[in-house]
Amino acid sequence: QVQLQESGPGLVKPSQTLSLTCTISGASVNSGNYYWSWIRQRPGVGLEWIGSVLYTGRRFYNPSPKSRLTISVDMSKNQVTLSLRSVTAADAAVYFCARQHYDRSGSPVGWFDPWGQGTLVTVSS
Amino acid sequence: SYVLTQTPSMSVAPGQTARITCEGNQVEKKSLHWYQQKSGQAPIRVMSYDDERPPGVPERFSGTNSGDTATLTISGVEAGDEADYFCQVWDSDYDRVLFGGGTKLTVL
Repeated sequence: QVQLQESGPGLVKPSQTLSLTCTISGASVNSGNYYWSWIRQRPGVGLEWIGSVLYTGRRFYNPSPKSRLTISVDMSKNQVTLSLRSVTAADAAVYFCARQHYDRSGSPVGWFDPWGQGTLVTVSS
Repeated sequence: SYVLTQTPSMSVAPGQTARITCEGNQVEKKSLHWYQQKSGQAPIRVMSYDDERPPGVPERFSGTNSGDTATLTISGVEAGDEADYFCQVWDSDYDRVLFGGGTKLTVL
């Protein structure tokens, strides 16, 4: 059974960098037709895709935070990391990591499953 | 840019049928997926590629995608179906994942 667990600081100061880690168990980050993704949910709002990365390094990012964003795969630790620079109050949210299926096209057209439980990030000085 | 539109909320009595819609321009041409999110929990997949039901999802859940509207149908609604439901596609024009705004299903 594949399980994902997000971890990282719950509180980040404005203008600083948010760093989150997703630890994968029950599967290898470099196996199967899967991207590894980050999705966030602001309080009372819907879901916002942040980005998806394949173990080969192929990446797709949401255009919105793209210039501040880096998502990477660490195969030695079986982890996926998110780095979001220059955070503002608008970046406060629950951050989820999720595995995303892709089809023969190689693009992340598929479903997200499973999801981690999510980690709450607050931005405040 | 491409947008997925969902009705923000709907209410259904137990035992009735809930039809949750997701509208987008020619959405039938996109691979569409549905998620259920209960309060305080992570979303879970309830429908894939329009009409494929994942293992463990009750047969009461079904999906269609035609024209500009995709529909998640829940037959014989139960109290435990009360949740937010989100649709999701891949927007190949901008190489990004899009979610609908979500529909809050209340079971009366």
